[in-house]
Amino acid sequence: EIVMTQSPATLSVSPGERATLSCRASQSVSSNLAWYQQKPGQAPRLLIYGASTRATGIPARFSGSGSGTEFTLTISSLQSEDFAVYYCQQYNNWPRMYTFGQGTKLEIK
Amino acid sequence: QVQLQQWGAGLLKPSETLSLTCAVYGGSFSGYYWSWIRQPPGKGLEWIGEINHSGSTNYNPSLKSRVTISVDTSKNQFSLKLSSVTAADTAVYYCARLSVTMVRGVISHYYYYMDVWGKGTTVTVSS
Repeated sequence: EIVMTQSPATLSVSPGERATLSCRASQSVSSNLAWYQQKPGQAPRLLIYGASTRATGIPARFSGSGSGTEFTLTISSLQSEDFAVYYCQQYNNWPRMYTFGQGTKLEIK
Repeated sequence: QVQLQQWGAGLLKPSETLSLTCAVYGGSFSGYYWSWIRQPPGKGLEWIGEINHSGSTNYNPSLKSRVTISVDTSKNQFSLKLSSVTAADTAVYYCARLSVTMVRGVISHYYYYMDVWGKGTTVTVSS
């Protein structure tokens, strides 16, 4: 089973600053990596798929990069609505399986 | 705009069977896989399994012995059953649509992601 590890567990950043979140896979997942945002009491929302493609309606301040085992989600200028928990998720074709990281909580500094 | 509406029993006793249903409104049902994901209180997300319109399923190996996902294409619905529940199964359960994007190249790549989610159903297992 592929294990996804996110770091840091908590990230404190001031509004307007840049946030960089990391996700590492225990083995290569190519570019089959997605990022989700979850706010309290809400379902996750898709931000990025294919490691770097923004989902429909996602602002340009969100960007994803990486391939293989190392991935990054960058939020270029934090807005108040961006403070949330972020999860990475990989897809494995055989066996067909989806695995999430444990999440990074982005909080206001 | 596709919407997922989910429902089911929210309070169970140990050893009972969890049963949830998710209905798909406003979009194609047959062109996708449909997933169940859960989130224990204060914890991360765990994929449970998926099904397509023809009934083809894939399950998380850690839950496979207790999980059944079924589909009713006449109603654009899919359902989750989880047997022999314990307190460890207490969680918010989400249904979600799985989408696929193909990127053509020398080698084509397929990217899989969950782009539409239900609001979640809280299930508590307690004696």
